Amino acid sequence: EVQLVETGGGLIQPGGSLRLSCAASGFTVSSNYMSWVRQAPGKGLEWVSVIYSGGSTYYADSVKGRFTISRDNSKNTLYLQMNSLRAEDTAVYYCATGLGIVARSEGAFDIWGQGTMVTVSS
Amino acid sequence: EIVMTQSPATLSVSPGERATLSCRASQSVSSNLAWYQQKPGQAPRLLIYGASTRATGIPARFSGSGSGTEFTLTISSLQSEDFAVYYCQQYNNWPPLTFGQGTRLEIK
Repeated sequence: EVQLVETGGGLIQPGGSLRLSCAASGFTVSSNYMSWVRQAPGKGLEWVSVIYSGGSTYYADSVKGRFTISRDNSKNTLYLQMNSLRAEDTAVYYCATGLGIVARSEGAFDIWGQGTMVTVSS
Repeated sequence: EIVMTQSPATLSVSPGERATLSCRASQSVSSNLAWYQQKPGQAPRLLIYGASTRATGIPARFSGSGSGTEFTLTISSLQSEDFAVYYCQQYNNWPPLTFGQGTRLEIK
């Protein structure tokens, strides 16, 4: 079964760090574009970061220089290292990808995890 | 950055009726446009990609149209399970990938 499972969320103080994980099953993370998308409470969807199969990485301006996306092919897991966290980073964080024919779009996401909540507050 | 604007913010429709949701891009995104449905407490679900291609398992009552800067999601006969928030997303020129602010479809 194709699945993404995020872990690592929690309550963290401003300025702190957190690492989110996204374990994949049923497919290989290294063969797809993998993204993080977040959703602040009561708000819309915001793209955060992507890592392409070739290893290139990109970030939203709002997180550039503070967040790092990576993957561990041996564990088939995607990560998001979040440093210098701010109150405005409070959100549910989803990992997402496109598989099969959707993957040819190189931008639509048909596979999503259940999300992990990150709360930045003192 | 391409800005995606959805209208209306909230749409009230009766079950069995047709719903039409709009999405406008600040510049052309060709047909690189997706629609998602999101219910409370759930992850988004891909409905349409390539502006008009239904994703696997999506009922035929969902259809997408448009290209360039103007797009439409139509739900031909609303079922109770269709009441949710809908987002459009462009992937023509990314990063950054951008979403619309969402349209809430509510029961009239």
